[in-house]
Amino acid sequence: DQQVKQNSPSLSVQEGRISILNCDYTNSMFDYFLWYKKYPAEGPTFLISISSIKDKNEDGRFTVFLNKSAKHLSLHIVPSQPGDSAVYFCAASAFQGAQKLVFGQGTRLTINP
Amino acid sequence: NAGVTQTPKFQVLKTGQSMTLQCAQDMNHEYMSWYRQDPGMGLRLIHYSVGAGITDQGEVPNGYNVSRSTTEDFPLRLLSAAPSQTSVYFCASSRLTQLLEQFFGPGTRLTVL
Repeated sequence: DQQVKQNSPSLSVQEGRISILNCDYTNSMFDYFLWYKKYPAEGPTFLISISSIKDKNEDGRFTVFLNKSAKHLSLHIVPSQPGDSAVYFCAASAFQGAQKLVFGQGTRLTINP
Repeated sequence: NAGVTQTPKFQVLKTGQSMTLQCAQDMNHEYMSWYRQDPGMGLRLIHYSVGAGITDQGEVPNGYNVSRSTTEDFPLRLLSAAPSQTSVYFCASSRLTQLLEQFFGPGTRLTVL
């Protein structure tokens, strides 16, 4: 059973517009949520995280929103740039010190010039 | 710092063969882990370690062995390879106090015929 789901395998966005990547989870014990970014032939790299006590966290062009009641989070990228083209993985953890991350399937984002 | 390194980058095995995927990190991280990435499945945790001499199972441990004799190295062993183990394998490491932000290696693409 997939505890973290990214239902959109791919997303195409024009350069300069907003990219919105979505993620749903089923385990109400999850307390921390993260986004990782992955380029081809490289390992994933940490992008941004959010604790369940917050509903928004910003880091430059990247903002993560958390809706606990809906068990949904999203990553907004504004403005989108060609270098943002990558696969984005959503991940969750039961608490900050938990030794296991549960990842979603990933969404391939393509930014078109 | 080289970060997290993995060898080999590519490997083709025949069913029943054994091999070891190597992983090393030079960041003095206590936590190390192995994931596999399959299409439509995201990243799934195989085994992890919180320090030398300590290992534990993740979500999909069957068919894999690990050991952690030093802080730097965390090899993954396939004792008798099966086609179902065809995947891309990622090693990751982090500080125990920063488990959410894991550093990933570039991956090993394994094909089992």
